Amino acid sequence: EPEVTQTPSHQVTQMGQEVILRCVPISNHLYFYWYRQILGQKVEFLVSFYNNEISEKSEIFDDQFSVERPDGSNFTLKIRSTKLEDSAMYFCASSELAGDSDTQYFGPGTRLTVL
Amino acid sequence: GNSVTQMEGPVTLSEEAFLTINCTYTATGYPSLFWYVQYPGEGLQLLLKATKADDKGSNKGFEATYRKETTSFHLEKGSVQVSDSAVYFCALYGGATNKLIFGTGTLLAVQP
Repeated sequence: EPEVTQTPSHQVTQMGQEVILRCVPISNHLYFYWYRQILGQKVEFLVSFYNNEISEKSEIFDDQFSVERPDGSNFTLKIRSTKLEDSAMYFCASSELAGDSDTQYFGPGTRLTVL
Repeated sequence: GNSVTQMEGPVTLSEEAFLTINCTYTATGYPSLFWYVQYPGEGLQLLLKATKADDKGSNKGFEATYRKETTSFHLEKGSVQVSDSAVYFCALYGGATNKLIFGTGTLLAVQP
């Protein structure tokens, strides 16, 4: 069964460093998403991406964040200068169709630890 | 705005007990509703969904019915197993946005 994959599974970085989190969505999916979950808190939407551009972003997704689909398979989330409060589990998701009956499929997550 | 409220956990049950995890929502329009499950050390897996009022989603013995009159989507299972121990998230999708809005998650611990 096709699945969303993410690398790395765990990333440790120093405050102020840049990190890139990678995702490979399901191959025939057209919509891509990033969510994050700070330890013990709810899963929060960051950004959605369609047709090579951001379709929606949350207040969390400020100028320190960017997303890119550099080739036909990868979808990346970059944090330019990490802060302590960026420590969280980051989930990538993809979906085949937009609309009310859309279903998003999630990857296993990347745990980001900022020291 | 749209929101989801879940019962707080943890919920601790003995094997074969009946499970209910409450979920209510606030939304404009007619959202789709989902339950996702997160097993220890893993990502979010879709458990079941319902896209319109009175629909019942079901999977792996779990069920949830979309109740528009009570704005609820409670998760139920007649007989839980130790392997059902996980965090369960209720989520909503709809309106002029294509993002999922999640509840806080409910930890279920099933003891043998």
